[in-house]
Amino acid sequence: NAGVMQNPRHLVRRRGQEARLRCSPVKGHSHVYWYRQLPEEGLKFMVYLQKENIIDESGMPKERFSAEFPKEGPSILRIQQVVRGDSAAYFCASSPGQPNQPQHFGDGTRLSIL
Amino acid sequence: QQQVKQSPQSLIVQKGGISIINCAYENTAFDYFPWYQQFPGKGPALLIAIRPDVSEKKEGRFTISFNKSAKQFSLHIMDSQPGDSATYFCAANAGGTSYGKLTFGQGTILTVHP
Repeated sequence: NAGVMQNPRHLVRRRGQEARLRCSPVKGHSHVYWYRQLPEEGLKFMVYLQKENIIDESGMPKERFSAEFPKEGPSILRIQQVVRGDSAAYFCASSPGQPNQPQHFGDGTRLSIL
Repeated sequence: QQQVKQSPQSLIVQKGGISIINCAYENTAFDYFPWYQQFPGKGPALLIAIRPDVSEKKEGRFTISFNKSAKQFSLHIMDSQPGDSATYFCAANAGGTSYGKLTFGQGTILTVHP
């Protein structure tokens, strides 16, 4: 009964590089969410995906950020041309999509931009 | 209108005492209110959740009180223990389900002294 798995746990990038964050949801979960947490702050919603579909991307910056949840494989959050302000913890959550089933979170990827 | 305001930012209680954390919201469409506990380096873990059709829900030492007219809800931790020391987040969701975009409060750092 593996929970939400995120990798890498820590990622260091230089300004201008690309960052790819991976999330494998709980087995059987078809809904994936990405949140960002800045130091000393709460989690901010970024994007909500179902298999092969983006349901809600209202929290996603318009540029440089993209997310996908393909039919096979993990969900990917991609940040192009990273800047110092992208440094944060990025959390993925998953749920089965049924009304009374909560979102389960992974332990996050800590992204540091040099 | 999408905000959830959480207080206090930090809280120190003695072992055996009661910890109380409060949240307020504006969006009347919110109808699912979970509380999450987060330890350093870990992802948030669901503690307890409530829907507005009840005014109180209790699970073990954790109780949520909900005041729909005031648009406020609170977490009470009875008989607080040092192991409860963590950051607590309230959250809210709209749409009658527990999936979709969660809006988080800013978090409360709880320290329980032995």
